Amino acid sequence: KAGVTQTPRYLIKTRGQQVTLSCSPISGHRSVSWYQQTPGQGLQFLFEYFSETQRNKGNFPGRFSGRQFSNSRSEMNVSTLELGDSALYLCASRKRDSYNEQFFGPGTRLTVL
Amino acid sequence: QQPVQSPQAVILREGEDAVINCSSSKALYSVHWYRQKHGEAPVFLMILLKGGEQKGHDKISASFNEKKQQSSLYLTASQLSYSGTYFCGTEIQTGANNLFFGTGTRLTVIP
Repeated sequence: KAGVTQTPRYLIKTRGQQVTLSCSPISGHRSVSWYQQTPGQGLQFLFEYFSETQRNKGNFPGRFSGRQFSNSRSEMNVSTLELGDSALYLCASRKRDSYNEQFFGPGTRLTVL
Repeated sequence: QQPVQSPQAVILREGEDAVINCSSSKALYSVHWYRQKHGEAPVFLMILLKGGEQKGHDKISASFNEKKQQSSLYLTASQLSYSGTYFCGTEIQTGANNLFFGTGTRLTVIP
């Protein structure tokens, strides 16, 4: 069974630009969550999608947005990039309910110059 | 809503035991534990649900004190492969599907 895949793996952008990251969940998993990981803050929850609907959102500005497609693939978009957006962005998929573990993808390393 | 983990870092010799703690100021429905090795994605270790259900790897044990909103991960007879950063993630209600993670505990096992 293929794992969670994320593309691209590495990205370098400049301030003010926007970026779109992609996540393909494990087959059959309909929930996709996104996290930002930085050395100081650890794993910070961005948002979670289930069946194309955003069910939960963390405490991030509106520049961070996402969506999910009918095949459960998800994209995350960050507009007007700031230096502080440099981080590892992880997505994780899981089956429907809380009794199932999340499976993390390898992440996208975003560097904002 | 971010849980607090302690200690922040610990160094063990092979064969020694360690306990990693996770506490929340909110009433919890579940606690999830993950381990992340350097340069890799976090990997699932254990889920503990309110009411006592648990799911996880045989060699890992953990507890969940529902009254204190605390969870502890027990690593016994540590091996070099246990090294990594351990994260607890908490959910405050069933079906919430939004895990809030602590800042992690860096565990280093030395020969």
